[in-house]
Amino acid sequence: GAVVSQHPSWVICKSGTSVKIECRSLDFQATTMFWYRQFPKQSLMLMATSNEGSKATYEQGVEKDKFLINHASLTLSTLTVTSAHPEDSSFYICSASWGTAQETQYFGPGTRLLVL
Amino acid sequence: GQQVMQIPQYQHVQEGEDFTTYCNSSTTLSNIQWYKQRPGGHPVFLIQLVKSGEVKKQKRLTFQFGEAKKNSSLHITATQTTDVGTYFCAGPRNAGNMLTFGGGTRLMVKP
Repeated sequence: GAVVSQHPSWVICKSGTSVKIECRSLDFQATTMFWYRQFPKQSLMLMATSNEGSKATYEQGVEKDKFLINHASLTLSTLTVTSAHPEDSSFYICSASWGTAQETQYFGPGTRLLVL
Repeated sequence: GQQVMQIPQYQHVQEGEDFTTYCNSSTTLSNIQWYKQRPGGHPVFLIQLVKSGEVKKQKRLTFQFGEAKKNSSLHITATQTTDVGTYFCAGPRNAGNMLTFGGGTRLMVKP
């Protein structure tokens, strides 16, 4: 099956710092990558959708200046949480897909962010 | 907007008992996907159903897509401790390949 990696898997940082999370599709070219946020015991909340070479599309209520997304190549997307605060602590998961609508999404292992 | 709901939220079963989770969409879906997330892990794709009334089986797991393509179910026969996790259904939005996830059903199995 398709493999998606995420780095780092754990981040602990001080309030006010920025954190960059990388998402890579290892064995396929991902035309679309998605970024989700998941709070404990809750469902996945889509933050944004990014297509290679174009600006990300953010979900309503997600601050694009706070969560910077870059999809520079067909195998790499990054999410930068700028000026992180404790309320940004969460589990961030990326997924990747290829092709047109209705394709399966393959999820990365996730990044747990703790902002002190 | 589109809503995807799952029931129950939680289910405790004794090992060997059956388990079913139900998924309902507020809109007709072109397909339904199921994912499993183990505790501390990430969602893993299980299956996609496309046709109205479709039934698919994976060993002890049986997936069904409703005739109206607005609901789906996952049934596990004779649960095992390895079945522990949260099961999510997801349906595509009208445009693009974004998915709307249900709230998930968390399955706990007592050995």
